[in-house]
Amino acid sequence: QVQLQQSGPGLVKPSQTLSLTCAISGDSVSSKRDAWNWIRQSPSRGLEWLGRTYYRSKWYNDYAVSVKSRITINPDTSKNQFSLQLNSVTPDDTAVYYCARDPYVWGFDSWGQGTLVTVSS
Amino acid sequence: QSALTQPASVSGSPGQSITISCTGTSSDVGGYNYVSWYQQHPGKAPKLMISDVSNRPSGVSNRFSGSKSGDTASLTISGLQAEDEGDYYCSSYTSSSTLLVFGGGTKLTVL
Repeated sequence: QVQLQQSGPGLVKPSQTLSLTCAISGDSVSSKRDAWNWIRQSPSRGLEWLGRTYYRSKWYNDYAVSVKSRITINPDTSKNQFSLQLNSVTPDDTAVYYCARDPYVWGFDSWGQGTLVTVSS
Repeated sequence: QSALTQPASVSGSPGQSITISCTGTSSDVGGYNYVSWYQQHPGKAPKLMISDVSNRPSGVSNRFSGSKSGDTASLTISGLQAEDEGDYYCSSYTSSSTLLVFGGGTKLTVL
């Protein structure tokens, strides 16, 4: 049974960098089947897919066009986790952020507990 | 405005069946069989109920079923139960640079 445990600050100042980590148990970030995703949810934007990282003999990343210039998702094989960095945040980035596993093709079967990140000075 | 269109709310009585629609375009729902459905209860993460249009993951009740016709996907819940109450979201792969789009969500009320 895979479990995803999120960690990171709940408050970020405007123009700074949002950083979250998702620790994986019961699976491997280097799995050749799965993709590891970040998704956020806010009243104004609803559910929004942000990006993913996955390993298929080498590492790949895909990012949503809406955040592509500001986002980085990195795997950490030594700790079996992956991270999200979102630069130059504004109050519009305030949302609940989730990490999620995709063992299918664009179907997320395991989710982290969610982290409410508020962007405010 | 979400890329996929869902009704804001649906309701039904215990034991009845309801269907939630998810309308997109030929670039997403109509063009690919990568439609998923999620159930979300307040304060909780979404739960995958259907993947690949009609595939039910292990552990999901067979009262939940998915289908697609043209640019519209549908989630049907039969034998409604009080625990089915919550928000339901569809998602689909899209050929646009966005890659994945979600619906705006449908609030299911069990009367």
